[in-house]
Amino acid sequence: ELKVEQNPLFLSMQEGKNYTIYCNYSTTSDRLYWYRQDPGKSLESLFVLLSNGAVKQEGRLMASLDTKARLSTLHITAAVHDLSATYFCAVDGGGSGGSNYKLTFGKGTLLTVNP
Amino acid sequence: NAGVTQTPKFQVLKTGQSMTLQCAQDMNHEYMSWYRQDPGMGLRLIHYSVGAGITDQGEVPNGYNVSRSTTEDFPLRLLSAAPSQTSVYFCASSYSDGAPLHFGNGTRLTVT
Repeated sequence: ELKVEQNPLFLSMQEGKNYTIYCNYSTTSDRLYWYRQDPGKSLESLFVLLSNGAVKQEGRLMASLDTKARLSTLHITAAVHDLSATYFCAVDGGGSGGSNYKLTFGKGTLLTVNP
Repeated sequence: NAGVTQTPKFQVLKTGQSMTLQCAQDMNHEYMSWYRQDPGMGLRLIHYSVGAGITDQGEVPNGYNVSRSTTEDFPLRLLSAAPSQTSVYFCASSYSDGAPLHFGNGTRLTVT
Protein backbone atom coordinates (compact mmCIF):
# COMPACT_ATOMS: atom_id res chain seq x y z
CA GLU A 1 0.00 0.00 0.00
CA LEU A 2 1.37 3.37 -1.02
CA LYS A 3 1.85 5.81 1.84
CA VAL A 4 2.54 9.51 1.34
CA GLU A 5 3.81 11.59 4.22
CA GLN A 6 4.13 15.35 4.27
CA ASN A 7 5.94 17.40 6.82
CA PRO A 8 5.43 19.66 8.44
CA LEU A 9 1.64 19.49 8.62
CA PHE A 10 1.46 23.04 9.96
CA LEU A 11 3.83 25.82 9.03
CA SER A 12 3.69 29.39 10.25
CA MET A 13 6.26 31.67 8.74
CA GLN A 14 7.04 35.33 8.38
CA GLU A 15 6.91 37.22 5.15
CA GLY A 16 10.25 37.30 3.41
CA LYS A 17 11.49 34.02 4.86
CA ASN A 18 12.34 30.80 3.05
CA TYR A 19 11.11 27.34 3.90
CA THR A 20 10.71 23.82 2.48
CA ILE A 21 7.84 21.35 2.63
CA TYR A 22 8.79 17.69 2.31
CA CYS A 23 6.86 14.86 0.72
CA ASN A 24 8.04 11.28 1.26
CA TYR A 25 6.41 8.23 -0.29
CA SER A 26 6.76 4.55 0.31
CA THR A 27 6.84 2.76 -3.08
CA THR A 28 8.44 3.31 -6.44
CA SER A 29 6.84 6.04 -8.49
CA ASP A 30 8.10 8.65 -10.93
CA ARG A 31 4.96 10.74 -10.99
CA LEU A 32 4.32 13.33 -8.33
CA TYR A 33 1.96 16.30 -8.22
CA TRP A 34 1.62 19.37 -6.03
CA TYR A 35 -1.74 21.06 -5.44
CA ARG A 36 -2.86 24.15 -3.59
CA GLN A 37 -6.15 24.56 -1.73
CA ASP A 38 -7.46 27.85 -0.34
CA PRO A 39 -9.87 27.61 2.62
CA GLY A 40 -13.29 26.38 1.54
CA LYS A 41 -12.18 26.12 -2.07
CA SER A 42 -11.24 23.45 -4.56
CA LEU A 43 -7.76 22.25 -5.41
CA GLU A 44 -5.64 23.72 -8.17
CA SER A 45 -2.64 22.11 -9.79
CA LEU A 46 0.75 23.71 -9.10
CA PHE A 47 3.36 21.30 -10.46
CA VAL A 48 3.62 18.00 -12.29
CA LEU A 49 6.90 16.12 -11.80
CA LEU A 50 7.27 13.13 -14.10
CA SER A 51 10.88 12.03 -13.85
CA ASN A 52 13.79 11.72 -11.49
CA GLY A 53 15.54 15.04 -11.04
CA ALA A 54 12.59 17.06 -12.36
CA VAL A 55 12.52 20.64 -11.14
CA LYS A 56 9.70 23.09 -11.77
CA GLN A 57 9.43 26.73 -10.67
CA GLU A 58 6.56 29.17 -10.64
CA GLY A 59 7.04 32.50 -8.94
CA ARG A 60 8.19 31.97 -5.35
CA LEU A 61 7.57 28.22 -5.43
CA MET A 62 9.95 25.56 -6.67
CA ALA A 63 9.29 21.81 -6.65
CA SER A 64 11.73 18.97 -7.18
CA LEU A 65 11.60 15.19 -7.33
CA ASP A 66 14.16 12.58 -6.29
CA THR A 67 12.66 9.20 -7.18
CA LYS A 68 15.58 7.25 -5.73
CA ALA A 69 15.06 8.85 -2.32
CA ARG A 70 11.27 8.79 -2.84
CA LEU A 71 11.21 12.44 -1.89
CA SER A 72 9.79 15.63 -3.31
CA THR A 73 10.31 19.11 -1.93
CA LEU A 74 8.33 22.31 -2.32
CA HIS A 75 10.56 25.28 -1.60
CA ILE A 76 9.12 28.67 -0.77
CA THR A 77 11.32 31.70 -1.38
CA ALA A 78 10.67 35.05 0.29
CA ALA A 79 7.15 34.13 1.37
CA VAL A 80 4.27 36.55 0.95
CA HIS A 81 0.83 36.50 2.57
CA ASP A 82 -0.85 35.39 -0.68
CA LEU A 83 0.93 32.05 -0.40
CA SER A 84 -1.12 31.17 2.70
CA ALA A 85 -3.01 27.97 1.79
CA THR A 86 -2.91 24.21 2.22
CA TYR A 87 -0.45 22.41 -0.03
CA PHE A 88 -0.85 18.77 -0.98
CA CYS A 89 1.49 16.39 -2.68
CA ALA A 90 0.04 13.40 -4.50
CA VAL A 91 1.80 10.34 -5.84
CA ASP A 92 0.71 8.09 -8.69
CA GLY A 93 0.82 4.56 -7.32
CA GLY A 94 -0.69 2.71 -10.26
CA GLY A 95 -4.10 1.13 -10.89
CA SER A 96 -5.80 -1.76 -12.65
CA GLY A 97 -7.59 -2.00 -15.97
CA GLY A 98 -4.69 -1.04 -18.15
CA SER A 99 -4.13 2.37 -16.63
CA ASN A 100 -1.76 3.54 -13.97
CA TYR A 101 -3.61 6.65 -12.89
CA LYS A 102 -4.47 6.43 -9.22
CA LEU A 103 -3.31 9.19 -6.89
CA THR A 104 -2.56 8.92 -3.20
CA PHE A 105 -2.51 12.28 -1.42
CA GLY A 106 -0.54 13.41 1.56
CA LYS A 107 -2.44 14.94 4.46
CA GLY A 108 -1.52 18.45 3.42
CA THR A 109 0.59 21.25 4.87
CA LEU A 110 -1.31 24.26 6.19
CA LEU A 111 0.90 27.24 5.47
CA THR A 112 0.28 30.56 7.17
CA VAL A 113 2.41 33.52 6.16
CA ASN A 114 2.37 36.32 8.71
CA PRO A 115 3.22 39.97 7.99
CA ASN B 1 -15.61 26.10 -20.71
CA ALA B 2 -17.34 25.17 -17.48
CA GLY B 3 -14.65 22.59 -16.56
CA VAL B 4 -15.77 20.11 -13.89
CA THR B 5 -19.25 20.80 -12.51
CA GLN B 6 -20.51 19.20 -9.32
CA THR B 7 -24.04 19.31 -7.99
CA PRO B 8 -25.34 19.86 -5.41
CA LYS B 9 -22.94 22.12 -3.50
CA PHE B 10 -24.47 21.22 -0.14
CA GLN B 11 -26.62 18.31 0.96
CA VAL B 12 -28.00 17.06 4.27
CA LEU B 13 -29.19 13.46 4.48
CA LYS B 14 -30.63 11.32 7.19
CA THR B 15 -29.03 7.98 7.98
CA GLY B 16 -30.25 5.33 5.55
CA GLN B 17 -31.21 7.69 2.76
CA SER B 18 -29.70 7.32 -0.67
CA MET B 19 -28.63 9.99 -3.11
CA THR B 20 -26.49 10.66 -6.17
CA LEU B 21 -23.76 13.26 -6.39
CA GLN B 22 -23.49 14.53 -9.93
CA CYS B 23 -20.27 15.26 -11.78
CA ALA B 24 -19.95 16.46 -15.36
CA GLN B 25 -16.99 17.69 -17.37
CA ASP B 26 -16.96 19.35 -20.77
CA MET B 27 -13.27 18.91 -21.58
CA ASN B 28 -13.55 15.46 -23.19
CA HIS B 29 -11.35 13.99 -20.47
CA GLU B 30 -11.04 10.22 -20.34
CA TYR B 31 -10.00 9.98 -16.70
CA MET B 32 -12.45 10.86 -13.94
CA SER B 33 -12.35 10.18 -10.22
CA TRP B 34 -14.09 10.82 -6.93
CA TYR B 35 -12.28 11.78 -3.72
CA ARG B 36 -13.49 12.53 -0.24
CA GLN B 37 -11.75 15.06 1.99
CA ASP B 38 -11.92 14.81 5.74
CA PRO B 39 -10.10 17.06 8.24
CA GLY B 40 -6.52 15.93 8.77
CA MET B 41 -6.87 13.06 6.25
CA GLY B 42 -5.99 14.66 2.95
CA LEU B 43 -7.98 13.36 -0.01
CA ARG B 44 -8.84 9.69 -0.36
CA LEU B 45 -9.80 8.06 -3.63
CA ILE B 46 -13.25 6.45 -3.70
CA HIS B 47 -13.66 5.28 -7.31
CA TYR B 48 -12.13 6.18 -10.62
CA SER B 49 -12.78 5.65 -14.31
CA VAL B 50 -10.40 5.50 -17.24
CA GLY B 51 -13.12 5.85 -19.86
CA ALA B 52 -16.78 5.25 -20.59
CA GLY B 53 -17.85 1.84 -19.35
CA ILE B 54 -14.71 1.31 -17.23
CA THR B 55 -14.58 1.93 -13.49
CA ASP B 56 -12.47 0.69 -10.62
CA GLN B 57 -12.29 0.99 -6.87
CA GLY B 58 -10.03 3.31 -4.99
CA GLU B 59 -8.93 3.32 -1.37
CA VAL B 60 -12.35 3.80 0.30
CA PRO B 61 -15.07 2.39 -2.02
CA ASN B 62 -17.42 0.82 0.54
CA GLY B 63 -20.89 2.38 0.58
CA TYR B 64 -20.47 4.01 -2.82
CA ASN B 65 -21.32 3.01 -6.38
CA VAL B 66 -20.30 4.57 -9.67
CA SER B 67 -21.01 4.09 -13.34
CA ARG B 68 -19.67 5.79 -16.47
CA SER B 69 -22.08 5.58 -19.37
CA THR B 70 -20.72 8.66 -21.14
CA THR B 71 -17.36 10.44 -21.28
CA GLU B 72 -18.89 13.55 -19.71
CA ASP B 73 -20.66 12.19 -16.63
CA PHE B 74 -19.45 10.27 -13.59
CA PRO B 75 -22.11 10.16 -10.85
CA LEU B 76 -21.39 8.88 -7.35
CA ARG B 77 -24.20 7.02 -5.58
CA LEU B 78 -24.52 6.67 -1.84
CA LEU B 79 -26.55 3.53 -1.29
CA SER B 80 -27.54 3.96 2.37
CA ALA B 81 -26.02 7.06 3.94
CA ALA B 82 -24.15 6.76 7.23
CA PRO B 83 -22.75 9.50 9.50
CA SER B 84 -19.25 8.28 8.58
CA GLN B 85 -19.91 9.52 5.05
CA THR B 86 -20.13 13.11 6.24
CA SER B 87 -17.39 14.73 4.19
CA VAL B 88 -16.53 17.03 1.32
CA TYR B 89 -16.60 15.18 -1.99
CA PHE B 90 -14.52 16.24 -4.97
CA CYS B 91 -14.85 15.03 -8.52
CA ALA B 92 -11.81 15.39 -10.74
CA SER B 93 -10.88 14.72 -14.34
CA SER B 94 -7.78 14.57 -16.49
CA TYR B 95 -7.14 14.43 -20.22
CA SER B 96 -4.47 11.76 -20.08
CA ASP B 97 -2.51 9.39 -17.97
CA GLY B 98 -0.06 11.48 -15.96
CA ALA B 99 -1.72 14.84 -16.57
CA PRO B 100 -2.81 16.91 -13.53
CA LEU B 101 -6.32 16.63 -12.19
CA HIS B 102 -8.94 19.32 -12.74
CA PHE B 103 -11.16 19.45 -9.66
CA GLY B 104 -14.78 20.44 -9.29
CA ASN B 105 -15.84 22.83 -6.54
CA GLY B 106 -16.91 20.05 -4.21
CA THR B 107 -20.09 18.85 -2.52
CA ARG B 108 -20.35 19.23 1.24
CA LEU B 109 -22.41 16.33 2.56
CA THR B 110 -23.73 16.00 6.09
CA VAL B 111 -25.39 12.79 7.26
CA THR B 112 -27.37 13.04 10.48
